[in-house]
Amino acid sequence: AQKITQTQPGMFVQEKEAVTLDCTYDTSDQSYGLFWYKQPSSGEMIFLIYQGSYDEQNATEGRYSLNFQKARKSANLVISASQLGDSAMYFCAMREELRSNTGKLIFGQGTTLQVKP
Amino acid sequence: DAMVIQNPRYQVTQFGKPVTLSCSQTLNHNVMYWYQQKSSQAPKLLFHYYDKDFNNEADTPDNFQSRRPNTSFCFLDIRSPGLGDAAMYLCATSRTGSGLFFGSGTQLSVL
Repeated sequence: AQKITQTQPGMFVQEKEAVTLDCTYDTSDQSYGLFWYKQPSSGEMIFLIYQGSYDEQNATEGRYSLNFQKARKSANLVISASQLGDSAMYFCAMREELRSNTGKLIFGQGTTLQVKP
Repeated sequence: DAMVIQNPRYQVTQFGKPVTLSCSQTLNHNVMYWYQQKSSQAPKLLFHYYDKDFNNEADTPDNFQSRRPNTSFCFLDIRSPGLGDAAMYLCATSRTGSGLFFGSGTQLSVL
């Protein structure tokens, strides 16, 4: 069963507007972490934001915020004031067994975001 | 700056000719991962090391091997590359309980 679901293969947003990228997940673990990564066309995977399952407040990092709804098992990424440089593929990922020695990162299928001038 | 470094950035090999991709880290993280990412797809975990303990994913082909001679270095060996092995290979590191830090990747082409 797929553990991370990103239902939007592609999204468009106008420059300077906000955009929400959807992510739902499935796990039976109580301790897990949710991550968002940005991957530009050059290929490197850039860490954006992290939310722990026990964190009560939504994570924020500059223009990025994570809308964490634990009961719904969703972890949507909100990008405010979009910039042309935000055009990239965005991956939602989950790490189960956060306190374990390994804790593999499982990725969703990704959402391609294009910012229009 | 502490980082994860992958060499080379682009690698071209011939069908069936062994190839090795390298990864080094200055983060002193105890876990190192190799992911394979094909075009427009999610990264797929091939294997990972926790210190010297090697953990292979069940669906990783036998054609893929890995070595970790010390904490800083990890290698991905593809014994007989096929056309289907052309992909971006991403190395990542982490310490217990942290997120993953990725290198810039090696784009492998198989001719």
